[in-house]
Amino acid sequence: QSALTQPASVSGSPGQSITISCTGTSSDVGGYNYVSWYQQHPGKAPKLMIYDVSNRPSGVSNRFSGSKSGNTASLTISGLQAEDEADYYCSSYTSSSTLKVFGGGTKLTVL
Amino acid sequence: EVQLVESGGGLVQPGGSLRLSCAASGFTFSSYWMSWVRQAPGKGLEWVANIKQDGSEKYYVDSVKGRFTISRDNAKNSLYLQMNSLRAEDTAVYYCARDFTVTTGFDYWGQGTLVTVSS
Repeated sequence: QSALTQPASVSGSPGQSITISCTGTSSDVGGYNYVSWYQQHPGKAPKLMIYDVSNRPSGVSNRFSGSKSGNTASLTISGLQAEDEADYYCSSYTSSSTLKVFGGGTKLTVL
Repeated sequence: EVQLVESGGGLVQPGGSLRLSCAASGFTFSSYWMSWVRQAPGKGLEWVANIKQDGSEKYYVDSVKGRFTISRDNAKNSLYLQMNSLRAEDTAVYYCARDFTVTTGFDYWGQGTLVTVSS
């Protein structure tokens, strides 16, 4: 069982917006602004999409945005495109000895 | 261009050992924390370990403590993971990743190397 909880799947039509949630505790998501999000296409390495809750690395589309409220972080993708279909993972710094934890991943399907 | 290239994966019997390597290029290796992240077949990502720039601090996920050792050689721009007492549940693709900072995400990843633990 993953330390952070994500929905197993979400779906949306091209042009729509979707949101993926990532729920943790006060020891990780809720306690620090160190949530990051990754996109992973089949057979490929993950790609950093959001870091420190809401910051986008250079080169990442502004259709991707992040936020946090309490112990839950969210990734929103607006203007869905076919190439957004992938697995998405959240990650957070944690005060436990593990240091960093991931969510179980969410499969995004673009209908 | 930042590049991380893992090597050393393969098939090993339960209880055996394996050493993974990661060759880094395109950035000042000695300036960054580095991590190993794994992904079991068809499963999600799991952070395994990371190491401070000078090797003075190391952290591990509980499931590998006492069995895995992370290390680095800044002169060779290389990261390592020594894996001992391997178990079937260690079967995964192991990724080398650069820590953006010690607390935040991983901004560059290698292509991964597959470790299979089976008799």
